[in-house]
Amino acid sequence: QSVLTQPPSASGTPGQRVTISCSGSSSNIGSNTVNWYQQLPGTAPKLLIYSNNQRPSGVPDRFSGSKSGTSASLAISGLQSEDEADYYCAAWDDSLRAVFGGGTKLTVL
Amino acid sequence: QVQLVQSGAEVKKPGASVKVSCKVSGYTLTELSMHWVRQAPGKGLEWMGGFDPEDGETIYAQKFQGRVTMTEDTSTDTAYMELSSLRSEDTAVYYCATDLLIGRSMDVWGQGTTVTVSS
Repeated sequence: QSVLTQPPSASGTPGQRVTISCSGSSSNIGSNTVNWYQQLPGTAPKLLIYSNNQRPSGVPDRFSGSKSGTSASLAISGLQSEDEADYYCAAWDDSLRAVFGGGTKLTVL
Repeated sequence: QVQLVQSGAEVKKPGASVKVSCKVSGYTLTELSMHWVRQAPGKGLEWMGGFDPEDGETIYAQKFQGRVTMTEDTSTDTAYMELSSLRSEDTAVYYCATDLLIGRSMDVWGQGTTVTVSS
C-alpha cells in the first residue's frame, strides 16, 4: 500500500488532455513539493515535473503539474502515442523520507 | 553532464547480503546527494533511503532500517547500497538516483541493477 494514492490506470486518445491525480496528507504533499516521473517499459524513471509545476529542460510543455492542499495533478495535453507509460508522483514527508504513489499506467487508445 | 553506472545483476540465496554499486562520472560524489529506489517485478517505485544535505546524514526508510546500509567511496566516486538478510520479497530492480537539478529532485538515474533472491 503506497503512501500517496494514484489511480491505477488512465487512458485517452491522441490529441486529448489527460490528468492523473495524486493524493497525500498534510505531512507529505501538504507541506512539501511534488515531483512526477515517467517510466517507459524496461527503463529507469525519468523526472517529468519537479517542485510541483517545474519542467526540467527537454520536457515538452505538454506536461504540466499542479498542487492544491494535500493533492497534486499531472496533466498531459495533446496526448501522443509515445506518452504511453507508467507515471509516478513523489513527495518528501516531514521525516525527510521520500514517498511514492503506486503509479498510474497510461494507455493511449 | 552526470552519469550513474550501476553494477551488474546479482543472484543471491535467502539470508545472504547484496552490495550494489553506483559509479558517478561527470561530477564528484561529494557534489551530489545519492538516493536508492527499488522496484519489485510488476510493482511501483519504493524509496529506500538517501543523503539529506541539510542534515548531512543518510536517512533510511523505516521499512529497511537495520537491514540497509548506504555508503560512499569518494576516492572512486562510487556509492554503495548493501541490503542484508535477503528474502524473496527483495527480488527487484535497484536504482541509484541523484539530485542534480535541485535538492530532492532525483533527476538523474542509474540504469538499474536486478537482484534476484532465490533458493
